[in-house]
Amino acid sequence: EVQLVQSGAEVKKPGESLRISCKGSGYKFSDYWISWVRQMPGKGLEWMGKIDPSDSYTNYSPSFQGHLTISADKSISTAYLQWSSLKASDTSMYYCARHENTLGLDYWGQGTLVTVSS
Amino acid sequence: SYELTQPPSVSVSPGQTASITCSGDKLGDKFVCWYQQKPGQSPVLVIYQDSKRPSGIPDRFSGSNSGNTATLTISGTQAMDEADYYCQAWDSSQGVFGTGTKVTVL
Repeated sequence: EVQLVQSGAEVKKPGESLRISCKGSGYKFSDYWISWVRQMPGKGLEWMGKIDPSDSYTNYSPSFQGHLTISADKSISTAYLQWSSLKASDTSMYYCARHENTLGLDYWGQGTLVTVSS
Repeated sequence: SYELTQPPSVSVSPGQTASITCSGDKLGDKFVCWYQQKPGQSPVLVIYQDSKRPSGIPDRFSGSNSGNTATLTISGTQAMDEADYYCQAWDSSQGVFGTGTKVTVL
């Protein structure tokens, strides 16, 4: 059974760093891209960027480029989303999802809620 | 940047047909996916490559894409279909989601 299991909810202060994770199982992790998707409270889905775990090639949305980093460790079937300096506006639910390059996001993680507040 | 526009809301009576549109420049030249999201849950892929259904998705869900508009059709709508629906396409290898449509089954 294909599963993407994300790390738990986080509460951080502005300026702090954070890394959240997404662990895949039930399939060959390096055969599928992982995308990260943001959903702000009560709002729609926003595509943030993607990574090919086979070679760690990344592609970011211009809206998120420079503010966060997507990485992966294929040896442990895990992708990461990290911030070096969080802002209150980063408060959101974050989802990871797998896909075959430009096809549909067919399996999603359960989401990680990040709250940034002083 | 590429944009996909959906109507904010669609209302449908049980057993009737709901149609949700997704508009974007030359969208027919791209593959479109559709996702269903219920409150408190992760999105679920219901249509990919314009009109294909993943395993386990009921055949009352169908899709089409031509010109500047893609359409998700729910035939014989059931109460369980009440949810938010998002279209999604790839533009220059970057993902783009539509603005989302809330489907209410009255």
